[in-house]
Amino acid sequence: DTGVSQNPRHKITKRGQNVTFRCDPISEHNRLYWYRQTLGQGPEFLTYFQNEAQLEKSRLLSDRFSAERPKGSFSTLEIQRTEQGDSAMYLCASSPNPSADTQYFGPGTRLTVL
Amino acid sequence: AQSVTQPDIHITVSEGASLELRCNYSYGATPYLFWYVQSPGQGLQLLLKYFSGDTLVQGIKGFEAEFKRSQSSFNLRKPSVHWSDAAEYFCAVGSSGTYKYIFGTGTRLKVLA
Repeated sequence: DTGVSQNPRHKITKRGQNVTFRCDPISEHNRLYWYRQTLGQGPEFLTYFQNEAQLEKSRLLSDRFSAERPKGSFSTLEIQRTEQGDSAMYLCASSPNPSADTQYFGPGTRLTVL
Repeated sequence: AQSVTQPDIHITVSEGASLELRCNYSYGATPYLFWYVQSPGQGLQLLLKYFSGDTLVQGIKGFEAEFKRSQSSFNLRKPSVHWSDAAEYFCAVGSSGTYKYIFGTGTRLKVLA
């Protein structure tokens, strides 16, 4: 396995702009997760996919946030009209079939909103 | 409420000294417990996990953790710390079939030469 990859690793944007992040999970992992980590905190769950179906969204995921996993492989997380409060590390994780509960994390995308 | 508490925000130890990082959890179901390590600007690397069975689990990099159900704890230990262990450590809890982990706020470890 090559591990979970995320792009870009860093993104600086101005308030009000839209940004999109990509996550490529470990091959054949059918579960994919997004978390957000702010400074001094642990990761907080945002959303979860099983294959292409988005099965859960946290209340943290406002209507400015949208996530997709169109073919059950890679996923994108888009933030529209970014706000300074969106500045955080966005982490993606994947896990294999439902009987295995270990999540493997990618390196994250650090977003800075100016 | 489900939660994970890591009471020590910062810990400083000398290289070669032993280490124990504390983790307490509150969780309604039978817990699955995890320790992850995060180096600055990086993602999380799994150190070890507990699902069931032997309550003392071994992980990578010489770490071990002990599950104590009566104390709702899952403390991480290492007998001799190396300078490369300096990082932030996160405890997390989940359960069978759950899709989201609950993380603690982390403990930042500093290692003195």
